[in-house]
Amino acid sequence: DAGITQSPRHKVTETGTPVTLRCHQTENHRYMYWYRQDPGHGLRLIHYSYGVKDTDKGEVSDGYSVSRSKTEDFLLTLESATSSQTSVYFCAIKRGLSTDTQYFGPGTRLTVL
Amino acid sequence: EDKVVQSPLSLVVHEGDTVTLNCSYEVTNFRSLLWYKQEKKAPTFLFMLTSSGIEKKSGRLSSILDKKELFSILNITATQTGDSAVYLCAVARGDDKIIFGKGTRLHILP
Repeated sequence: DAGITQSPRHKVTETGTPVTLRCHQTENHRYMYWYRQDPGHGLRLIHYSYGVKDTDKGEVSDGYSVSRSKTEDFLLTLESATSSQTSVYFCAIKRGLSTDTQYFGPGTRLTVL
Repeated sequence: EDKVVQSPLSLVVHEGDTVTLNCSYEVTNFRSLLWYKQEKKAPTFLFMLTSSGIEKKSGRLSSILDKKELFSILNITATQTGDSAVYLCAVARGDDKIIFGKGTRLHILP
């Protein structure tokens, strides 16, 4: 399972509240990714990181911010949650420069009421 | 705009049948194509393809890439009920972004 954990695993919150999701890895990998998965849309990239303090936007980054102050943690923040951000969020790591293979965390189911 | 298109979106077959899943792409700065299997939880890795015409094989599953025509296929022979899942195709770009298709939902009837 590549030592990836996500927390919380489930969260219900209200519109307008801030939410932070955490992805933690134990294997010191450089690349980390945040995706959301919705019915009919597959996996869509929100943000990714290629090192400590190095991040870039994906295809659906509006309304989300990220931070990576340590190699092992990649945080995804919804500054003011909206109902359209109800989704399953997956974190993934990529094991190195020589491969594009990703390994996924167990996911966080977020419901915004 | 980059896109990865999978077909069919859904497929129902009987156990023992052979299935072919398709993935076409239009992606700038292509680096590799990946296949994943997703059951009720997180996607799990199946194949990574970077070169045209070289088949990758794992048991009853195989995949091949055509970089000239910009597509890949995933074949599953002698299907079993445990093959029921969503199969995801993704393309990695040179800037490390990875773009997924919407998936093919495969259901195997006993």
